[in-house]
Amino acid sequence: GAGVSQSPSNKVTEKGKDVELRCDPISGHTALYWYRQSLGQGLEFLIYFQGNSAPDKSGLPSDRFSAERTGGSVSTLTIQRTQQEDSAVYLCASSLGGSRLAGALQETQYFGPGTRLLVL
Amino acid sequence: AQSVTQLDSHVSVSEGTPVLLRCNYSSSYSPSLFWYVQHPNKGLQLLLKYTSAATLVKGINGFEAEFKKSETSFHLTKPSAHMSDAAEYFCVVSIMDTGRRALTFGSGTRLQVQP
Repeated sequence: GAGVSQSPSNKVTEKGKDVELRCDPISGHTALYWYRQSLGQGLEFLIYFQGNSAPDKSGLPSDRFSAERTGGSVSTLTIQRTQQEDSAVYLCASSLGGSRLAGALQETQYFGPGTRLLVL
Repeated sequence: AQSVTQLDSHVSVSEGTPVLLRCNYSSSYSPSLFWYVQHPNKGLQLLLKYTSAATLVKGINGFEAEFKKSETSFHLTKPSAHMSDAAEYFCVVSIMDTGRRALTFGSGTRLQVQP
């Protein structure tokens, strides 16, 4: 079946511009995650959505970053006033989801191909 | 607080020889642990996960990992490396902390397989 999709696959923007990155999770998955992978930095957790619960935004690096998830499906990560240090691959993942209790921790996350963002 | 340390940023092995990728974690809570692999220009793929069941976990492509609580380790092994195993490997720890999910990735280990 269809996996997690992300668009665009590549984005080049100028410093100071806003960008929007889109994630389509696997149908039926209620949990959605955003990560950032910077060169030489490894993966960094950004934000986690679970159903209609308030998202866990603990990983967002600054208030220039925001994300929303409409209708419990598609998610958009927005970066305002981009900076060069925002250049990275942004990865989205989804999982079946459940409550915020132990079950959700043990789920397999399925990752999208990522959006490669370059801020000039 | 929790953390994950992948002890080697690069590992190089010859095809057909064993693979050992080391991961140590620290967590105040009982963690779930994962290994993910990322091939060049591809997305992340789950290799295996530990979720408080059997301490020896078998994954895809012949990989396995053993959870050792006394050593706070979750090393990834494979008896015989294949050229297609060349990729970057991430160790991940996941806990629930005061009702909020905490997910921490290691910095990654790049595995090279020599012919």
